[in-house]
Amino acid sequence: GAGVSQSPSNKVTEKGKDVELRCDPISGHTALYWYRQSLGQGLEFLIYFQGNSAPDKSGLPSDRFSAERTGGSVSTLTIQRTQQEDSAVYLCASSLMGASGETQYFGPGTRLLVL
Amino acid sequence: EDKVVQSPLSLVVHEGDTVTLNCSYEVTNFRSLLWYKQEKKAPTFLFMLTSSGIEKKSGRLSSILDKKELFSILNITATQTGDSAIYLCAVKDGSSNTGKLIFGQGTTLQVKP
Repeated sequence: GAGVSQSPSNKVTEKGKDVELRCDPISGHTALYWYRQSLGQGLEFLIYFQGNSAPDKSGLPSDRFSAERTGGSVSTLTIQRTQQEDSAVYLCASSLMGASGETQYFGPGTRLLVL
Repeated sequence: EDKVVQSPLSLVVHEGDTVTLNCSYEVTNFRSLLWYKQEKKAPTFLFMLTSSGIEKKSGRLSSILDKKELFSILNITATQTGDSAIYLCAVKDGSSNTGKLIFGQGTTLQVKP
């Protein structure tokens, strides 16, 4: 596709439920990032995938958060047993190879509200 | 701990004004500094700066980096209502292979007609 796409655009869930957020990176981009943007905060790095390498999970806030990337393309971020503090915009970005000199291109995000 | 700090946090100006947004950073292994514009959800890329003193320019927007004083500024001249957005500054962390971005809090700019 022309850009990074994410689904759903918005998600409202009840505390304790699990949610899955999806990201489709730009075609041909091998590097994929997940960030979280809480209200009034800057973006916070969550996890990074590059090709077949082991992902960098150093930003995941708790073991309730996990992510997969199947076939080197689409990624799913899963939040188990959601809490109200998980409410945020979850942004996905991709870059061509993940090299430090590259620009990351962002998707429109998923706005998650946990009631 | 690595951090990026933007100022001001919010700014209200009138069309035609010039604004300067600031970004300072303390990052152990600096690789580059990026500016993004976020209007609704998706941040859109503006500039990437890696060298000190070299101004990058795109239309009414320009940016420059000072690696000695550890800051960058983003200038917008002759502002328009369409410039209203959150402007995000991010530093690319070169300490690992991930190239992950460390973001500031953002500056919310409102341009009034």
